[in-house]
Order: sequence, then structure tokens, then C-alpha cells
Amino acid sequence: QSVLTQPPSVSAAPGQKVTISCSGSSSNIGNNYVSWYQQLPGTAPKLLIYDNNKRPSGIPDRFSGSKSGTSATLGITGLQTGDEADYYCGTWDSSLSAGGRVFGGGTKLTVL
Amino acid sequence: EVQLVESGGGLVKPGGSLRLSCAASGFTFSSYSMNWVRQAPGKGLEWVSSISSSSSYIYYADSVKGRFTISRDNAKNSLYLQMNSLRAEDTAVYYCARDDLTGDLGYWGQGTLVTVSS
Repeated sequence: QSVLTQPPSVSAAPGQKVTISCSGSSSNIGNNYVSWYQQLPGTAPKLLIYDNNKRPSGIPDRFSGSKSGTSATLGITGLQTGDEADYYCGTWDSSLSAGGRVFGGGTKLTVL
Repeated sequence: EVQLVESGGGLVKPGGSLRLSCAASGFTFSSYSMNWVRQAPGKGLEWVSSISSSSSYIYYADSVKGRFTISRDNAKNSLYLQMNSLRAEDTAVYYCARDDLTGDLGYWGQGTLVTVSS
């Protein structure tokens, strides 16, 4: 059972928009920045969004992030088949061991 | 180009030990905190341990505390994870990941598979 809660799967057609939610608590999302990671099949995770809504260099603006209270959301517009991947939210949790990072259980995106 | 290359994974019996290594290149290794993150087969990501740039601060997940030891050799641009008293539930792909200046996991290696089975 992951500390952060994500839907197991989402799907949408090419060109459409999808959102992925990440729910936590005041000890994690509520008081820390949220990151999002994309894991394409058979590859290592890649940082997609940091500090709730910032994109690393090279990440297209089709990807966006937001946070409100103890929840965060990843948005993807103009869906492409190459976006099919597992997406994870991550942050820190002050109720765990010092330095404790936590992740959501992951959401599998299917582009129909 | 930042590169992180893990090695040392393999098959080990329950109760056994294994030492993972992560060779870093393409950046000033001694300036960054480093992490180990694992992923059990078909499961999500789990943070395992982190170490600050000068090894002054070391943290572990409760699930591995007392059994795993993280270390680094800045002269060799290398990160290590000594894993003792291994259990079946430690079976996973272990990734080495670098902290960005924002504290996010900005770069990941390709991972090394550890299988704990009799």
C-alpha cells in the first residue's frame, strides 16, 4: 500500500487530454513539493515535473502539474501513442524516517 | 552527458548478501546527493536510501534499516549499496538516482535486478 494514492489506470484517445491524480496528506503533499516521473515500458523512470508545476529542460509543455492542498494532478494534452507509460507522483513525508521520500502506486496510461 | 550505470545484481539466497555499485560520469559526482530506489516486479517505486554529497547525511527506509548500508567514494565517482540479511521481499530492480539541486530525482540509471530466492 503506497503512501500516495493514484488511480491504477487511465485511458484516452490520441489528441485528447488526460489528468492523473495523486492524493496524500498534510505530512507529505500538503507541506512539500510534488514531482512526477514517467516510466516508459522497460525503461528507468524519468523526471517529468518538479516543484509541483515546473518542467525540466526538454519536457514538452503538453505536460503540466498542479497542486492543491493535499492533492496533486498531472495533465497531459495532445496525447500521443508514445505517451503510453506508467506515471508516478513523488514527494517527501515528515511522518516517516528522516529523509523519507514517498511515491504513489503508479498510473498506467493507455492511449487508445 | 550524465550517466549512471548500476552493477552487482544477481540471484542470492535468503539471508545472503550482495553489494551493488553505481558508476557515475558526466557531472561532478562529489557535489550531489545520491539515492537508491527499487521496484519489485510489476510494482511501483520504493525509495531505499540516500546519502549526501560528503556522506554527512545518510537516510534509510524503515524496510531496509539495519540491513542495508549506503556509501560512496567521491574519488572513484561511485555509489554503493551493501545489502545483508536479504529477504524474498527485497527482490527488485535497484536504481541509482541523482538528486537535482531542487532535491528531485533528476537522473536515473538503467537499474540492476536483485533476485532473492532459494
